[in-house]
Amino acid sequence: DTAVSQTPKYLVTQMGNDKSIKCEQNLGHDTMYWYKQDSKKFLKIMFSYNNKELIINETVPNRFSPKSPDKAHLNLHINSLELGDSAVYFCASARRGETDTQYFGPGTRLTVL
Amino acid sequence: GNSVTQMEGPVTLSEEAFLTINCTYTATGYPSLFWYVQYPGEGLQLLLKATKADDKGSNKGFEATYRKETTSFHLEKGSVQVSDSAVYFCALSDRSGNTPLVFGKGTRLSVIA
Repeated sequence: DTAVSQTPKYLVTQMGNDKSIKCEQNLGHDTMYWYKQDSKKFLKIMFSYNNKELIINETVPNRFSPKSPDKAHLNLHINSLELGDSAVYFCASARRGETDTQYFGPGTRLTVL
Repeated sequence: GNSVTQMEGPVTLSEEAFLTINCTYTATGYPSLFWYVQYPGEGLQLLLKATKADDKGSNKGFEATYRKETTSFHLEKGSVQVSDSAVYFCALSDRSGNTPLVFGKGTRLSVIA
């Protein structure tokens, strides 16, 4: 009965590879987000989707491409991984009109070697 | 732009000590304010929130009061426990549409027995 789930929990890969992180929420929320947490624990928004449409795209390299097949899923695909992409990536969701209260997934720790 | 500043950590306290983690914000309008907690190896959880001036958010013995005059939302707990050891994030949302949360840099709390 997990509210916001992410897979995988850990991802170790070589520089230059392409990888995806999946996020699913079973809360019936319309809005989903991806955040990046760097090694100093600083959290920053990457993307926001509302009902499968991209709403916010912060200054993120275009190697990062979010994909929302339906409003319960927001996957993050990363091309040509770089060392600086190593971080913990968090997915979150919120109800329409209540986007100030967000529910976070457990995070995916990405390590690029 | 909106921003959140919270005290640098780490903070180390003995069990039953009094806790204060300072948080100040800069925002246009009247944001909602939050404290999130991240326990080791887990995702973020909403701890408490306040949506208007002078509101007090409280949960699990933690409290924070929305002070518009000082643009602050300091987190307090009268008697901490070892199980409170975590990273605490202050955050704001300006409540306009689908804006994401803006986080402070996090404060690590370690409580020793």
